[in-house]
Amino acid sequence: GAGVSQSPSNKVTEKGKDVELRCDPISGHTALYWYRQSLGQGLEFLIYFQGNSAPDKSGLPSDRFSAERTGGSVSTLTIQRTQQEDSAVYLCASSLSGVVNSNQPQHFGDGTRLSIL
Amino acid sequence: AQKITQTQPGMFVQEKEAVTLDCTYDTSDQSYGLFWYKQPSSGEMIFLIYQGSYDEQNATEGRYSLNFQKARKSANLVISASQLGDSAMYFCAMRGPYNFNKFYFGSGTKLNVKP
Repeated sequence: GAGVSQSPSNKVTEKGKDVELRCDPISGHTALYWYRQSLGQGLEFLIYFQGNSAPDKSGLPSDRFSAERTGGSVSTLTIQRTQQEDSAVYLCASSLSGVVNSNQPQHFGDGTRLSIL
Repeated sequence: AQKITQTQPGMFVQEKEAVTLDCTYDTSDQSYGLFWYKQPSSGEMIFLIYQGSYDEQNATEGRYSLNFQKARKSANLVISASQLGDSAMYFCAMRGPYNFNKFYFGSGTKLNVKP
């Protein structure tokens, strides 16, 4: 479809392992966002990318978290040496950017449910 | 600093009645956008309605309307004629100010519609 695509939809891994989560935004959307949502909680901002600008990493909780966006499209969120508190749903969103698109919402993927054993 | 406040962690409403979900925001800028999203138990985030800070009319989308009171910095969501399928988490969000690529989300309100 034409929506935001995230993979995998579920990921179970052992504590201490590294994980990579993928996000494929809507074509033409220059802004891409990663959020974390713990069970029953709100959205915790992690990072966002805007075109070729330096990403806003202000929400990353520790240096174990990193993200990249290649070619202005697909993004990968990497968590190294996973801890049990990293268990959550990781949501990716994309949007059109800029003032002229200020009425445009974020479009979300279905998320990756990450479980750390 | 917290930008969006949703003070109702949980709400109940009788089917077919109207319900108002509160949202207040904090900004000194004049240009910003306000959004409401619905998140059912299945987890997807569904965009419901948008209100621009310069819009003079309250936004409406079907059974959803936004009670925008700029001086009070509130953007409450009104759902008319509640349906069982409206049971979900509802998030208020603000785009901008200063950076139109930054979104700020509230902590959400869980709405339960009773038959």
